[in-house]
Amino acid sequence: GAGVSQSPSNKVTEKGKDVELRCDPISGHTALYWYRQSLGQGLEFLIYFQGNSAPDKSGLPSDRFSAERTGGSVSTLTIQRTQQEDSAVYLCASSRGGNEQFFGPGTRLTVL
Amino acid sequence: AQSVTQLDSQVPVFEEAPVELRCNYSSSVSVYLFWYVQYPNQGLQLLLKYLSGSTLVKSINGFEAEFNKSQTSFHLRKPSVHISDTAEYFCAVRTNTGFQKLVFGTGTRLLVSP
Repeated sequence: GAGVSQSPSNKVTEKGKDVELRCDPISGHTALYWYRQSLGQGLEFLIYFQGNSAPDKSGLPSDRFSAERTGGSVSTLTIQRTQQEDSAVYLCASSRGGNEQFFGPGTRLTVL
Repeated sequence: AQSVTQLDSQVPVFEEAPVELRCNYSSSVSVYLFWYVQYPNQGLQLLLKYLSGSTLVKSINGFEAEFNKSQTSFHLRKPSVHISDTAEYFCAVRTNTGFQKLVFGTGTRLLVSP
């Protein structure tokens, strides 16, 4: 079946602009996670959604970052007023039983 | 809180040689352990996992890892590597309850040369 998909695959933006990154999880997966992979910080957890529960936002680095998940499926990660330190690969993962997370290909964000 | 340490940032090895990628973790509660692999310009793929039961787990492409609770380690081994094994390998841990985030190590780049 189809895996986790993310769009766009690459995004170049100017400092101060807002960006939206999209994640389509595997159908039927109730949990969705966002991670960030950057040279200086490695792989960091950002946020996760589980069903209708309140999301765990404990990894979001600042209030410029937010995410939503509509209808228990597609998720959008929004970064407002982007900064150069936001440049990274943003990875989305989904999970059904909670044990194994399946990752998408990522969105490479470059902030000029 | 959990943490993962991968002491080797890069491991160069010749084709057909054995390799061990080290992973140590810290946690005050029981955990699940994972190895993910990231090939160049690709996303993360699960290589193998330890949830419970036998402490030795194996992947379909010849890698294996052993959970050692007393040493809090989950080292990855392969007796004979191929050029195609060149990739970055990440060790990860999460608590064994509910839907929990993965905590990753900093990764080890395996470089296999002919």
